[in-house]
Amino acid sequence: EPEVTQTPSHQVTQMGQEVILRCVPISNHLYFYWYRQILGQKVEFLVSFYNNEISEKSEIFDDQFSVERPDGSNFTLKIRSTKLEDSAMYFCASSDNEQFFGPGTRLTVL
Amino acid sequence: RKEVEQDPGPFNVPEGATVAFNCTYSNSASQSFFWYRQDCRKEPKLLMSVYSSGNEDGRFTAQLNRASQYISLLIRDSKLSDSATYLCVASPYGNNRLAFGKGNQVVVIP
Repeated sequence: EPEVTQTPSHQVTQMGQEVILRCVPISNHLYFYWYRQILGQKVEFLVSFYNNEISEKSEIFDDQFSVERPDGSNFTLKIRSTKLEDSAMYFCASSDNEQFFGPGTRLTVL
Repeated sequence: RKEVEQDPGPFNVPEGATVAFNCTYSNSASQSFFWYRQDCRKEPKLLMSVYSSGNEDGRFTAQLNRASQYISLLIRDSKLSDSATYLCVASPYGNNRLAFGKGNQVVVIP
């Protein structure tokens, strides 16, 4: 069964550093998403991506965040200058109608 | 006002019993509704979509009440493996962002 994959599974970084989280969506899906979940809180939408451009973003997705589809398979989330409050689980999802989630990257900002 | 509200619980359920819970959504433009299951520190996994006519999948039954803007999930004959957090999700339309509730934590007790 096809699935969304994400790397790395864990990322520890220092405040102010840049991180890139990687995702490989399900191959025939056209819609891609990033969500985050701070420990103990709900899953929050960050951004959706279709046809090589952002289709929607939340107020969380400010100028420190960017997304890219650098090739035909990867979908990345970059956080330019990490803050302590960026520590969370980041989930990638892809969709043809229903959204399927990857296993997540746990980001810890020290 | 939160977009999707759920009573987090926990709901302690004897094995074999039936448990039901609701969630409410505030965005009347929401068109698509889902229940996702999330195990501890794992990704959300789609349990079932929720249709206006109500739908059933094995021991799970979902109902949608558009007039009152609430969605319900009923689990019959609870199994130990049903222990998880059940996330209520609404979306304006297909392939759009998902708005998650905080989840109903279910603990099935032997």
